[in-house]
Amino acid sequence: AQKVTQAQTEISVVEKEDVTLDCVYETRDTTYYLFWYKQPPSGELVFLIRRNSFDEQNEISGRYSWNFQKSTSSFNFTITASQVVDSAVYFCALSHSGSRLTFGEGTQLTVNP
Amino acid sequence: DGGITQSPKYLFRKEGQNVTLSCEQNLNHDAMYWYRQDPGQGLRLIYYSQIVNDFQKGDIAEGYSVSREKKESFPLTVTSAQKNPTAFYLCASSIGPYGSTDTQYFGPGTRLTVL
Repeated sequence: AQKVTQAQTEISVVEKEDVTLDCVYETRDTTYYLFWYKQPPSGELVFLIRRNSFDEQNEISGRYSWNFQKSTSSFNFTITASQVVDSAVYFCALSHSGSRLTFGEGTQLTVNP
Repeated sequence: DGGITQSPKYLFRKEGQNVTLSCEQNLNHDAMYWYRQDPGQGLRLIYYSQIVNDFQKGDIAEGYSVSREKKESFPLTVTSAQKNPTAFYLCASSIGPYGSTDTQYFGPGTRLTVL
């Protein structure tokens, strides 16, 4: 069975703080993909990153970075120097056979000015 | 501009009525999906379609129906058999088809409230 756990339901930080959102997954597949999506108050899910199970290199995109560790089945997301516009719900997701995605329950991030 | 459109953004219906949510994409994607999101929860898959005239049940298909007569359209009908239809509904698409693990891109969603 596939499962994604985002243990942090809500996180609140002050602007310019760094923040890490945790994601732990379970799968028996050897080939899989991991995703992060951002859901701002408008509701639409915005794709942030896709990572396959054979690529454990960390990824950096501007203030965003992702740390994929197969040994601990984790795919954590860090926002450096957070901004108010980063306030949103962030979802981690796992894909498996047939293009299906399993989502975590999301982490509500609030960045206060 | 390529993308996914869902209409309407807000929908109100009386209990016992069927309602159809629209989802259209002009990304030339083969695969399309419907998800349901309840407050404070993640997304759950209702139905998905890999190609025209074919679709499969997701995890919570009971009380819902879909059709896929055109590549760009994947309407979802919420029937009176759905016990708790009030939710936020998101449509997505990906390049597809079968066995693909391509990125899914999402529409803006429809918030359905049953009175």
